[in-house]
Amino acid sequence: GPKVLQIPSHQIIDMGQMVTLNCDPVSNHLYFYWYKQILGQQMEFLVNFYNGKVMEKSKLFKDQFSVERPDGSYFTLKIQPTALEDSAVYFCASSVTGASNERLFFGHGTKLSVL
Amino acid sequence: QQKVQQSPESLSVPEGGMASLNCTSSDRNFQYFWWYRQHSGEGPKALMSIFSDGDKKEGRFTAHLNKASLHVSLHIRDSQPSDSALYFCAALSNSAGNKLTFGIGTRVLVRP
Repeated sequence: GPKVLQIPSHQIIDMGQMVTLNCDPVSNHLYFYWYKQILGQQMEFLVNFYNGKVMEKSKLFKDQFSVERPDGSYFTLKIQPTALEDSAVYFCASSVTGASNERLFFGHGTKLSVL
Repeated sequence: QQKVQQSPESLSVPEGGMASLNCTSSDRNFQYFWWYRQHSGEGPKALMSIFSDGDKKEGRFTAHLNKASLHVSLHIRDSQPSDSALYFCAALSNSAGNKLTFGIGTRVLVRP
């Protein structure tokens, strides 16, 4: 079936550094998402993105976070600077449109460890 | 308080048995529900959606929604070892586009 690829699978960085998480969405999908899952807690919506713009973001999407997809390449989540509380697994997802009745396709996640 | 609550936290069923998972929302704006399943080391994968009151069956999986009580359940008939996974209930409101609110999950173990 359709696959969303996330690179890398695990990233370890020092607090204060910048990190970029990469996502290769399903090829014909137009809506992209990032979700954050802290160990032992539920997965939480961060942001969705369509046509080069952020459509919605949650309170978890701090000012230090940014997303982009330059020229159809990777859909990226950048955190600059990182903080200890950013340690989590970040899941990228995509869907054909942003319709409520449409399933999301998730990647395997990138585990981010901020030391 | 979490807006989407799942029970039980974990569940062990024998192969061939029935697994029953529950999900309740505390937000009346949530009218649409999905079940996602996540195997170890993978991302969540959509199992099925349910948007109307009543039952919806897809193969061995049956979902039930009661909008009045905001309760949704998932029943897995003839459980297989490959059904062992973390099951998430996810809710969304009509106005939220595709912004899912997830529960914390129910871990299902199917014993051979």
